[in-house]
Amino acid sequence: DMQMTQSPSTLSAAVGDRVSITCRASQNIRSWLAWYQQKPGKAPKLLIYEASSLQSGVPSRFSGSGSGTEFTLTISSLQPDDFATYYCQQYNTYSGTFGQGTKVEIK
Amino acid sequence: QMQLQQSGPGLVRPSETLSLTCTVSSGSITKNNYYWGWIRQPPGKGLEWIGNIYYSGSTYSNPSLKSRVTISVDTSKNQFSLSLTSVAAADTAVYYCASVTMIRGAPAFFDYWGQGTLVTVSS
Repeated sequence: DMQMTQSPSTLSAAVGDRVSITCRASQNIRSWLAWYQQKPGKAPKLLIYEASSLQSGVPSRFSGSGSGTEFTLTISSLQPDDFATYYCQQYNTYSGTFGQGTKVEIK
Repeated sequence: QMQLQQSGPGLVRPSETLSLTCTVSSGSITKNNYYWGWIRQPPGKGLEWIGNIYYSGSTYSNPSLKSRVTISVDTSKNQFSLSLTSVAAADTAVYYCASVTMIRGAPAFFDYWGQGTLVTVSS
């Protein structure tokens, strides 16, 4: 079974901080990884696909990197609207396994 | 921009069947480069993929739910549906439908999402 593990589970940061979230896959998934942002009571929103491709309309302060088994989502300068929970999702197999999520909180 | 509208009951009794429908607007469900998917999220927890379907009827389901899940498509109504049998309290969750972009002929990432439906399993 494919497992996706995110770290940290919770991250406290201030507006303007550079933050990074890591996602590790239990098997090589090449670049077949997406990142989502979810706010309370809302559906997730696609941010990044194919590990580093920015979805249309997503601010350029979001970026993704990595391949194989280790991936990173970086927010270059945290904005008030960015406090949310972030999920990674692999699509190398025909399943859509998600990571457990990383909550970005206000410091 | 594609829109997905979910419908279905918010309360299901234990051991009964959960049924939800997702109607696709501003786009055809027979688009060649899309699968259609279901994802759920128990209260306070993370996202769990349930399964995907192509307009032809080809499906992929989470092995942990596969024996209880049926996903179907009705192209005449531009809808796809989820059926989950023998529900228990652990199936209480917000259920989302979503469009699934295809990569290499296979379902990939979820780009447009429905509004979510909280389904509570309780007698």
